[in-house]
Amino acid sequence: ETGVTQTPRHLVMGMTNKKSLKCEQHLGHNAMYWYKQSAKKPLELMFVYSLEERVENNSVPSRFSPECPNSSHLFLHLHTLQPEDSALYLCASSPGRPGQGNNEQFFGPGTRLTVL
Amino acid sequence: AQKITQTQPGMFVQEKEAVTLDCTYDTSDPSYGLFWYKQPSSGEMIFLIYQGSYDQQNATEGRYSLNFQKARKSANLVISASQLGDSAMYFCAMRGVKPSGGGADGLTFGKGTHLIIQP
Repeated sequence: ETGVTQTPRHLVMGMTNKKSLKCEQHLGHNAMYWYKQSAKKPLELMFVYSLEERVENNSVPSRFSPECPNSSHLFLHLHTLQPEDSALYLCASSPGRPGQGNNEQFFGPGTRLTVL
Repeated sequence: AQKITQTQPGMFVQEKEAVTLDCTYDTSDPSYGLFWYKQPSSGEMIFLIYQGSYDQQNATEGRYSLNFQKARKSANLVISASQLGDSAMYFCAMRGVKPSGGGADGLTFGKGTHLIIQP
């Protein structure tokens, strides 16, 4: 398998559930990202991991908890979410070369999350 | 802080015509990169083209070209000879370039333009 994969592709959960989103990249990249895409809003950067270290957390509520066990895998653990958290959650990876502007990000297909 | 503005929420274009999608940006970073992505209805973001702020020439990739006007802070995407498969959301994005360390900087996205190609 190549590129960036995400599972599940669709998820429906109640506000009291705990679930996890998984992202895997097969590109040998050093950096991984979580973005949230809500209707009629720009993509919002949530978390950035570089070489398995979290380097950015964009004021995301604690009900979202990321985990990066190695440079190929990234998880987003969800608990006690709200209906307004319903969105498309996109994972991306990039080579992560310092000082390089064209560290283009390769995106996965996303997980469509619905919180009831 | 960085900001991307895409002023065209939607566009209808006849097949085979050229299309220009507008993007203006604002940043205080002396060096930065600009990206365009395509998002079909399937949801996946597909990288199209990149322009560095110090690149001397406008970027081109096949039918895609980027009309970069640094003084006006604009980075419009031009699609030549549009095809039905070009129908999708198009996002302009940017990142600052830190000369040392990191290399893992998130992108700032615009709200996107919904392009519909009509036969």
